[in-house]
Amino acid sequence: DTAVSQTPKYLVTQMGNDKSIKCEQNLGHDTMYWYKQDSKKFLKIMFSYNNKELIINETVPNRFSPKSPDKAHLNLHINSLELGDSAVYFCASSRIAGAGELFFGEGSRLTVL
Amino acid sequence: QQPVQSPQAVILREGEDAVINCSSSKALYSVHWYRQKHGEAPVFLMILLKGGEQKGHDKISASFNEKKQQSSLYLTASQLSYSGTYFCGTGGRDDKIIFGKGTRLHILP
Repeated sequence: DTAVSQTPKYLVTQMGNDKSIKCEQNLGHDTMYWYKQDSKKFLKIMFSYNNKELIINETVPNRFSPKSPDKAHLNLHINSLELGDSAVYFCASSRIAGAGELFFGEGSRLTVL
Repeated sequence: QQPVQSPQAVILREGEDAVINCSSSKALYSVHWYRQKHGEAPVFLMILLKGGEQKGHDKISASFNEKKQQSSLYLTASQLSYSGTYFCGTGGRDDKIIFGKGTRLHILP
């Protein structure tokens, strides 16, 4: 059983489209994150949820909207996609916010044409 | 504030040792080390939660100097499997784990 799973693994789309990435964890963790890794491999935190509540919202454009229907799921919806949104998006979860081991999903590679 | 890692890249021969440094301009509550291989997700190596703490497993260990706001990762007698990009992540009071830009390690046979 995969601990943190993301879908889809690959996403190719046109500029201006809207897309979603889904994430689920079966570890019973309270905290989930979205990280963005660009072509230079920088791992940048975007959002963090603790028990369905948003606790971290980095300076991310409003086009990005996370949603956590329950503590095991954290989805990312992106509106009006731009070329600069091309990256690998990693979902992660941890038992303790900010101090626990991060369990990463496999990543979702988004390519915007 | 993003922690600063050094060096940016290292090339070693199998069996050689390496040290990767991580420093922060703000007070640290935790330091996290991860390794990422090409095309894969980052994988947890260790967390250091107290000043002066040292941890290790196998031939990879790390230290945390809370006063200097620094951590170092030590790789002893490196193996081919150690190749990858190493990230340090720093945790503050705000529940965020901020990662450095990574150190690329390449081990030659």
